[in-house]
Amino acid sequence: GNSVTQMEGPVTLSEEAFLTINCTYTATGYPSLFWYVQYPGEGLQLLLKATKADDKGSNKGFEATYRKETTSFHLEKGSVQVSDSAVYFCALSPYNTDKLIFGTGTRLQVFP
Amino acid sequence: GAVVSQHPSRVICKSGTSVKIECRSLDFQATTMFWYRQFPKKSLMLMATSNEGSKATYEQGVEKDKFLINHASLTLSTLTVTSAHPEDSSFYICSARVKGLAGGVEQFFGPGTRLTVL
Repeated sequence: GNSVTQMEGPVTLSEEAFLTINCTYTATGYPSLFWYVQYPGEGLQLLLKATKADDKGSNKGFEATYRKETTSFHLEKGSVQVSDSAVYFCALSPYNTDKLIFGTGTRLQVFP
Repeated sequence: GAVVSQHPSRVICKSGTSVKIECRSLDFQATTMFWYRQFPKKSLMLMATSNEGSKATYEQGVEKDKFLINHASLTLSTLTVTSAHPEDSSFYICSARVKGLAGGVEQFFGPGTRLTVL
């Protein structure tokens, strides 16, 4: 079946630290991969996506590379800011479907 | 653009009553809307896919008679939790897919509704 596993949080960092949030997936075929972010009191927002192997999605300084060989889509940012504090969800969409399958979410807390 | 609202944001009800949650796409037309349920420290679980003008498609294990979904227009879908019980307490989130976005799977999410059943 299809599933997403991401690291448990919370992840606590100081401002300007390097961020990695791990995400691995299990899927049949060739899924699309996503990172969504949820700021306090708001709905999930698409952060970045990749639709095929070796694609790199990037946005707002965040990036993630679709690694088929390791079935991973780790989220990285070189220098986090306090405003990046949020919950981050890794998700996949099985090939040729509209559905999204989410990981459990990872809370990021960035302190000044 | 692409804003999705939910109403109410929070509801508390007595066991046995029914609760309706609205999901609206404010500035676009959504042919497809999705309803998710989120338990504490758990991922979002897709409950059903709702297409305008047709019956919703429910995921395995979701009781369609308990979670009634109506998608009456291109901007509104409703989820009614019938005869709610404490185990139905959860965070319910909707999303909408933009009409005409060929080949795309991007969904725009509402802020969620916290349901507490006493």
